[in-house]
Amino acid sequence: AQRVTQPEKLLSVFKGAPVELKCNYSYSGSPELFWYVQYSRQRLQLLLRHISRESIKGFTADLNKGETSFHLKKPFAQEEDSAMYYCALRGSGGSNYKLTFGKGTLLTVNP
Amino acid sequence: DTGVSQDPRHKITKRGQNVTFRCDPISEHNRLYWYRQTLGQGPEFLTYFQNEAQLEKSRLLSDRFSAERPKGSFSTLEIQRTEQGDSAMYLCASSFGTSYEQYFGPGTRLTVT
Repeated sequence: AQRVTQPEKLLSVFKGAPVELKCNYSYSGSPELFWYVQYSRQRLQLLLRHISRESIKGFTADLNKGETSFHLKKPFAQEEDSAMYYCALRGSGGSNYKLTFGKGTLLTVNP
Repeated sequence: DTGVSQDPRHKITKRGQNVTFRCDPISEHNRLYWYRQTLGQGPEFLTYFQNEAQLEKSRLLSDRFSAERPKGSFSTLEIQRTEQGDSAMYLCASSFGTSYEQYFGPGTRLTVT
């Protein structure tokens, strides 16, 4: 079974402050981890993927297999980062394409 | 707009009625997914298609739910004898080949009264 846990439903920070959205997962194999974001009145969209190891909009996330975590970080939050963030997992195996999502964290960046 | 589209965007129905939703994926995307999202939850996988073949169904998809993708293009999701617990946002997504990225539609919000 695969499970994704996002312990914080709400996270509020001030502009310019660092932000970390937590994600822990449970999966017996080697998963792929993703962060999806949903801005107000927009559709869900991919933010970043652990394999690419890139920074998108200043966000980074490192897969820690020992702690089974994939936390999303940004050193200096901006107001436009306010959104709903979902951590998602895709299991290994060539035919496994479905995503398992966490419950999401609503990030609010205050001016 | 060449993104994933869903129709209708909102549907209000009475308990016991049947409803059908449509999803048009991005052109040439061979994989199509349905998810359901209830308040305070992340999207939950329902089913997915590769071309016209339905390859996986979640146990969330009871006998009252059926999905089709007859020509490997658009897909329909039908719920028979709706129940209040079916009230949710139904999301469709598509992807191409072995690409990891799923592109989501705007969703259909179902309210069962």
